[in-house]
Amino acid sequence: AQKITQTQPGMFVQEKEAVTLDCTYDTSDPSYGLFWYKQPSSGEMIFLIYQGSYDQQNATEGRYSLNFQKARKSANLVISASQLGDSAMYFCAMSERYSGGYQKVTFGTGTKLQVIP
Amino acid sequence: ETGVTQSPTHLIKTRGQQVTLRCSSQSGHNTVSWYQQALGQGPQFIFQYYREEENGRGNFPPRFSGLQFPNYSSELNVNALELDDSALYLCASSLVAGGPGEQYFGPGTRLTVT
Repeated sequence: AQKITQTQPGMFVQEKEAVTLDCTYDTSDPSYGLFWYKQPSSGEMIFLIYQGSYDQQNATEGRYSLNFQKARKSANLVISASQLGDSAMYFCAMSERYSGGYQKVTFGTGTKLQVIP
Repeated sequence: ETGVTQSPTHLIKTRGQQVTLRCSSQSGHNTVSWYQQALGQGPQFIFQYYREEENGRGNFPPRFSGLQFPNYSSELNVNALELDDSALYLCASSLVAGGPGEQYFGPGTRLTVT
């Protein structure tokens, strides 16, 4: 089974509108973290937002918010007031502890977001 | 505070050769992870180093090896290069090895194997 599932290969959004990128995850570890990264065409992976499994409130960072629904195992990214510079690939990722104490991060397949003027 | 840096930016190698990629962690971070990102896919975990020792590994053969130095910089070595090794290689540093937490990525090294 996929640990991270992103079902939207591509999305379009009008400039200044809000958009939601979907992400579901699968883990049996009670302690895990969820991330969203942005990857522009240059290739650099830019950290956007982090949600810990024990965090009670949804994480927010500026125009980014993470809609964390633990029972449904979903961690959707909401981008408000889209800008042209938001056009990029977006990856959902999850970190889990493994035996030996290391943290492994598993990425989804990504969603390509294009913002239309 | 400096971010994560990687060198070189691009690299072209021939099948069968060996390659070394370098990563300098973000200041204060003692853990580094390496990822391989093939074209059109998400990054795949190769391994993680904490305090100069490998403490976790993904599904990659032994010809992928690494080092971490006392200053927390790191190297990824790939022996006997294959065409499928062509990818973007990303390193990420973090402060805590044993628990979930933020990882900060470098700009990557794009390796092409011909």
